[in-house]
Amino acid sequence: DGGITQSPKYLFRKEGQNVTLSCEQNLNHDAMYWYRQDPGQGLRLIYYSQIVNDFQKGDIAEGYSVSREKKESFPLTVTSAQKNPTAFYLCASSIDRGEKLFFGSGTQLSVL
Amino acid sequence: GEDVEQSLFLSVREGDSSVINCTYTDSSSTYLYWYKQEPGAGLQLLTYIFSNMDMKQDQRLTVLLNKKDKHLSLRIADTQTGDSAIYFCAESMGGSTLGRLYFGRGTQLTVWP
Repeated sequence: DGGITQSPKYLFRKEGQNVTLSCEQNLNHDAMYWYRQDPGQGLRLIYYSQIVNDFQKGDIAEGYSVSREKKESFPLTVTSAQKNPTAFYLCASSIDRGEKLFFGSGTQLSVL
Repeated sequence: GEDVEQSLFLSVREGDSSVINCTYTDSSSTYLYWYKQEPGAGLQLLTYIFSNMDMKQDQRLTVLLNKKDKHLSLRIADTQTGDSAIYFCAESMGGSTLGRLYFGRGTQLTVWP
């Protein structure tokens, strides 16, 4: 089955620690995105990538980093510089830029 | 294009119709989308409408677009308890912001048996 796989489902971060969230897609989509969702809020764009080896900052990129070494993979690192990392993180992909996003099932990140 | 507004809550009885409303600010929107999110899950694309259309129907779902008032609505006919979820309106735009969607805060739909 084609789709987007995010792992892990739940992740805990200790103070001062970097953590990496995985996102893999087998839809052959060029564009991939990371969104952050806080309770009662809409989705806010962290980073997006329209092609391999290229990515752009979204609205709330500070404290996060990404890489796009393969078309299928777009991992997100939450660094220690992100002071309020507790949120639900959603990865998405689209066959073209900004059209019909397909989402993974999300990763809930919490701080210990 | 960053101000997409939705009412936060809607409650309906099973079998009734639900209407979820959304307003947006950017007249250069190309597509407008409705997504559904169930608890602890990702967003599922329900339907979408191109900005030069007024209406789109897909089984129990009807999308109405009023470009003059920048108003989008999603009507769910014969609402079922399985329709209980959060519904997000989103817009995408062309030009320099191509590649981005702007989301509303979501409307929590509760369906009572």
